[in-house]
Amino acid sequence: EVQLVESGGALVQPGGSLRLSCAASGFTFSSNAMHWVRQAPGKGLEYVSGISSNGGSTYYADSVKDRFTISRDSSTNTLYLQMGSLRPEDMAIYYCARGRGSRANTAMADYWGQGTLVTVSS
Amino acid sequence: QAVVTQEPSLTVSPGGTVTLTCGSSTGAVTSGHYPYWFQQKPGQAPRTLIYDTNKKQSWTPARFSGSLLGGKAALTLSGAQPEDEAEYYCLISYSGAWVFGGGTKLTVL
Repeated sequence: EVQLVESGGALVQPGGSLRLSCAASGFTFSSNAMHWVRQAPGKGLEYVSGISSNGGSTYYADSVKDRFTISRDSSTNTLYLQMGSLRPEDMAIYYCARGRGSRANTAMADYWGQGTLVTVSS
Repeated sequence: QAVVTQEPSLTVSPGGTVTLTCGSSTGAVTSGHYPYWFQQKPGQAPRTLIYDTNKKQSWTPARFSGSLLGGKAALTLSGAQPEDEAEYYCLISYSGAWVFGGGTKLTVL
């Protein structure tokens, strides 16, 4: 059974940093692209970032480019999102999602985690 | 960045048929945009219903179908059930820049 479990969400001050993790199990982690999607309170879904199965290609929304970094560790089956220079508008539930294939630019989500809440406030 | 547009809200009667659409500010939506459709109920994570325009996940009820219609991606629900009341999001790829639509709140009433 495919499972994705996010962690790392917390209250952080504007300008601060945070690293989110997504522990994957139930599938061959190194075979699938992975993605992060967020949802601000009461708002719609927003694509954040994606990474190919081998980590060689990454994609970012303009809103997070140069502030967030996506990475993956196949030895621990974990996806990461390093978030820096956090702004109030980054406050959201962050979901990790498994890509349907290996390429992040064509293979979007089939399975989703339950999300982790990031709150940006002073 | 491209803008993806969806109807803000739609209502369908139980047993009825409704079509949700997903348009692109850059022009016609094609299969090359790899359209996806997701369902989200309050307090839950999204669930993938349709990928690559019209392909279904193993858990997607047969009453949901995806297509291209009039230059847009479309999600058709035939024989609506009360449990289909939810928010529906489409997602389009612009060469790796994935963009969600604003969502359609579907009411079954």
